[in-house]
Amino acid sequence: EAQVTQNPRYLITVTGKKLTVTCSQNMNHEYMSWYRQDPGLGLRQIYYSMNVEVTDKGDVPEGYKVSRKEKRNFPLILESPSPNQTSLYFCASGGEMKKLFFGSGTQLSVL
Amino acid sequence: GENVGLHLPTLSVQEGDNSIINCAYSNSASDYFIWYKQESGKGPQFIIDIRSNMDKRQGQRVTVLLNKTVKHLSLQIAATQPGDSAVYFCAEIQGAQKLVFGQGTRLTINP
Repeated sequence: EAQVTQNPRYLITVTGKKLTVTCSQNMNHEYMSWYRQDPGLGLRQIYYSMNVEVTDKGDVPEGYKVSRKEKRNFPLILESPSPNQTSLYFCASGGEMKKLFFGSGTQLSVL
Repeated sequence: GENVGLHLPTLSVQEGDNSIINCAYSNSASDYFIWYKQESGKGPQFIIDIRSNMDKRQGQRVTVLLNKTVKHLSLQIAATQPGDSAVYFCAEIQGAQKLVFGQGTRLTINP
């Protein structure tokens, strides 16, 4: 089944404790992206990748890192999480940007 | 910056009626406009897109209309069903690499 898989679905952590949210797609898509979704603010892009070893900042990249060492994986790294990074995170991939496939989301709470 | 936004945050319709969800945009240089549907607890799902050189595009029970004169986009859902209950986002491709989402409209179907 074609899908974008994110893990974990839920995560509670404390300020400053490094964490990684994984994202994997099985559709051989070149484009992958991370979004955060907050009430009243919609979906905002954090980072995106047009292909392996190519990543770029989105609208809200501060406090996040990504890597794209292989086509299928695009992990989101929070080196030192802070409470303002509490949010619902979505990974997406697409063969073309106008049609993205989204994962089921990761609800992150930073205490 | 330029934004993609929505006229109304919520919309309630009777089951079987037609729904019209509206979206205003300000970036006249965008090439594509897209509608996504997000059901509770899930990631956004692609519905339909329209290129900027088109006025109308139809899918299965959905129609997207684009009025470039007033920078307005709408999604029409025919014979609304309970499964159509969701948040609907319009999105806009700005430049070659940026997909920007609007705030979303929550569609509620009344029995």
